Amino acid sequence: AQSVTQPDIHITVSEGASLELRCNYSYGATPYLFWYVQSPGQGLQLLLKYFSGDTLVQGIKGFEAEFKRSQSSFNLRKPSVHWSDAAEYFCAVAPRTGGFKTIFGAGTRLFVKA
Amino acid sequence: EAGVAQSPRYKIIEKRQSVAFWCNPISGHATLYWYQQILGQGPKLLIQFQNNGVVDDSQLPKDRFSAERLKGVDSTLKIQPAKLEDSAVYLCASSSSRRDVYGYTFGSGTRLTVV
Repeated sequence: AQSVTQPDIHITVSEGASLELRCNYSYGATPYLFWYVQSPGQGLQLLLKYFSGDTLVQGIKGFEAEFKRSQSSFNLRKPSVHWSDAAEYFCAVAPRTGGFKTIFGAGTRLFVKA
Repeated sequence: EAGVAQSPRYKIIEKRQSVAFWCNPISGHATLYWYQQILGQGPKLLIQFQNNGVVDDSQLPKDRFSAERLKGVDSTLKIQPAKLEDSAVYLCASSSSRRDVYGYTFGSGTRLTVV
């Protein structure tokens, strides 16, 4: 069955420290891959996406993600976290064929401590 | 560019009552989605429209949920009668096409509490 797993329910990092949020997917073929961020009381905002080509993808707000086919992973990273990055992060996948139905992971809540 | 508009922002109802949510997508976006986000979970697709036609409603509980997009622009999602487990945030999103590779644009959502 198609699924997206975000192993960490929540993560706490110090401001200025580096960040990595994990995402693993289970799909018949490599899907389109996305990371979204959701601030409290807000909708989801697209951070970045992977379709093909370079496996290291740059996004907004200084985030990047690396696609690793052999590990079926698409981990999100940021070299230096700011307090304003505290939010919930969702990994999502969509098939390259068919109805393009996007499936979201359960999310990882990021806490940033001063 | 105006974003995806949703109303109301919050709604509290008693179980067995009915409720309706409204969504106005980004102008020109042909594809509209309704998602249900239960606390602690990722969004789950309820229904997808392409213009005014339904593309996917496989996860919509059709005995109590209904949705329409009559003119291919704004959309209404209704729950009748509501159950306690319907408490969630209902997110509307839109994209320029079914195969929009740039991802969706989401509204801020409607938070429903059923008591």
